[in-house]
Amino acid sequence: GENVEQHPSTLSVQEGDSAVIKCTYSDSASNYFPWYKQELGKGPQLIIDIRSNVGEKKDQRIAVTLNKTAKHFSLHITETQPEDSAVYFCASDTGRRALTFGSGTRLQVQP
Amino acid sequence: NAGVTQTPKFQVLKTGQSMTLQCAQDMNHNSMYWYRQDPGMGLRLIYYSASEGTTDKGEVPNGYNVSRLNKREFSLRLESAAPSQTSVYFCASSEAIGAQRQQFFGPGTRLTVL
Repeated sequence: GENVEQHPSTLSVQEGDSAVIKCTYSDSASNYFPWYKQELGKGPQLIIDIRSNVGEKKDQRIAVTLNKTAKHFSLHITETQPEDSAVYFCASDTGRRALTFGSGTRLQVQP
Repeated sequence: NAGVTQTPKFQVLKTGQSMTLQCAQDMNHNSMYWYRQDPGMGLRLIYYSASEGTTDKGEVPNGYNVSRLNKREFSLRLESAAPSQTSVYFCASSEAIGAQRQQFFGPGTRLTVL
């Protein structure tokens, strides 16, 4: 089955700096790659997603890039703010069943 | 529009007790899912239901059963709880498997088995 690896597991940045989280996937049939943000005590919420026919997508301070050849996709957060502190999950979707999630990255933005 | 709701929010069980976690969605989604979340292990799929009337095993189904009661509701049952089932359980729903659409998650049930 699909396997998704996510790095780093923890990331600490200064407010205003950029943060990058990277994921790799194993199944070349994967065609949809969402990113979720989970705040303490809450369920994950979608923040951005990308489909396999697109190489990059941006939404204000958040961007996602996809390299299908290398089976890599990354989340980029610019001008980080304390409210960006949370756990972030990448996921991949082969279209055959549920999403496969990475193990998560705990992002801490220091004021 | 409440999205995905789960009950209860918290539960403490003794080893061997049984319980059912309830989940409902009001978005007219076809597919529903149950995940468990343990520290450092992300979200692991327990069972899913691609459409009303169907259920399938996920990555970690042992010790659990599910029922897709109707299009809105998908319950998870622990017949004989074990300490290894201490976890946070999330229900989710999506338009359909393969539709390249996001999953919406409920707020979670925090379960402790003593």
